[in-house]
Amino acid sequence: SQQGEEDPQALSIQEGENATMNCSYKTSINNLQWYRQNSGRGLVHLILIRSNEREKHSGRLRVTLDTSKKSSSLLITASRAADTASYFCATDVRYSTLTFGKGTMLLVSP
Amino acid sequence: EPEVTQTPSHQVTQMGQEVILRCVPISNHLYFYWYRQILGQKVEFLVSFYNNEISEKSEIFDDQFSVERPDGSNFTLKIRSTKLEDSAMYFCASRTDVAGNTIYFGEGSWLTVV
Repeated sequence: SQQGEEDPQALSIQEGENATMNCSYKTSINNLQWYRQNSGRGLVHLILIRSNEREKHSGRLRVTLDTSKKSSSLLITASRAADTASYFCATDVRYSTLTFGKGTMLLVSP
Repeated sequence: EPEVTQTPSHQVTQMGQEVILRCVPISNHLYFYWYRQILGQKVEFLVSFYNNEISEKSEIFDDQFSVERPDGSNFTLKIRSTKLEDSAMYFCASRTDVAGNTIYFGEGSWLTVV
C-alpha cells in the first residue's frame, strides 16, 4: 500500500450513528492531518495530530494515532447528514509537503 | 477566520492555450503550495514555494508549469501549453513559517481542457 491509505473506501450510515475511518501509512511521519472535502469543493482542515500525540479531540471528532502500527483513525460521533463528504488523511513526512490518501466517502442518511 | 482564496473557480480552455491560476494565501503565511486532484483520484503535490523560490517540486511539475509571487499577496500557477490531462482541480495552500503546522487549502480552481 502507499503512504496514507484510508479504509473503508466508502461508508454509509444513518444520522446519529458514529463513523470510523482508518488511515495507514508506511514511513515515519512528523504529523498527520485529516481533511474533509464536500463534492467538488475545497479541502477543509479538521485536525492535525503530531507524532508524539496519541489522541486529539475537536467537537464531535476524535483522532487517534498509533505510530507503532503506522495508523490513524478518525471517529465522527453522532453523525449528521451535513457530515456527508470525503475524508482524507495526509501525512507530513519532512515538515514540507503532505501526501494524501485516496479518501473515504462518507454518506450519512437522514 | 483567514482563508486562502483562489480565482477563477472554474476555467475552460482549449488545448495548447496558456492558463494562469491565481491564489491569495493567508496573509502571515510564508510557505505556499499548489496541489491538484484529477477527478476521482488522489490529491497530488505539485510544488512548494518559500522565500521567493521553489523549495520542492514533484515529477508532475515539469517545464510546462511555473509559479510566481508577483507581489506581496498573490501566488500564481501558470501552465504554458495545456494538455487534456491537465484537466483537474488545482488547490493552492499555505502555512506559517512554523514547521509542521497546519496547511490550509483554498476552494480550488477547476480547470477543464478541451
